[in-house]
Amino acid sequence: DAGVIQSPRHEVTEMGQEVTLRCKPISGHDYLFWYRQTMMRGLELLIYFNNNVPIDDSGMPEDRFSAKMPNASFSTLKIQPSEPRDSAVYFCASCGTGYLTEAFFGQGTRLTVV
Amino acid sequence: DQQVKQNSPSLSVQEGRISILNCDYTNSMFDYFLWYKKYPAEGPTFLISISSIKDKNEDGRFTVFLNKSAKHLSLHIVPSQPGDSAVYFCAALRSGSARQLTFGSGTQLTVLP
Repeated sequence: DAGVIQSPRHEVTEMGQEVTLRCKPISGHDYLFWYRQTMMRGLELLIYFNNNVPIDDSGMPEDRFSAKMPNASFSTLKIQPSEPRDSAVYFCASCGTGYLTEAFFGQGTRLTVV
Repeated sequence: DQQVKQNSPSLSVQEGRISILNCDYTNSMFDYFLWYKKYPAEGPTFLISISSIKDKNEDGRFTVFLNKSAKHLSLHIVPSQPGDSAVYFCAALRSGSARQLTFGSGTQLTVLP
């Protein structure tokens, strides 16, 4: 397996534009997480899915953020409209259902909103 | 309110010496703890974990210690190597149906040759 795959690796966009980040979890993993890394707050959990169903989205900062998981092999995180303070590295991670298995992370998407 | 805290944003250690990274948590419901290592431009990778039923777990040069009464854990790296230079994140999990990891803010370790 190639691991968790995220695209794009880098995204530069203008304020007000819509941004869509993509994630392909490891095959067979039924938990998927979206994290955001900033200098101030470290790694923050935004939302996570179990079997494609959103379980906890309390970390999503605002209504401008939305996430979907239409099937077991694909998820998107959308920001509309984007703002400069959204600039960060966004990570997707997945894990299986084994008791206390660790999460595997993608390489992240570095988002810059200018 | 940060439930997992890494109070040292950075640490420098000489090659061959011991590196000690610290982590504190506030939620007594956490019962599983993990350390992740992150290189620049890469995602975090799992390093070592410990269950709350243990107070020590060792894997090669890496040892994690857990002090439940103090709600404190630490990662020891002995001997430290330049390739260990990375950001180390402490994470905590409450077992059961909830699967989300709560992370600390990370400590940048620099091992000097």
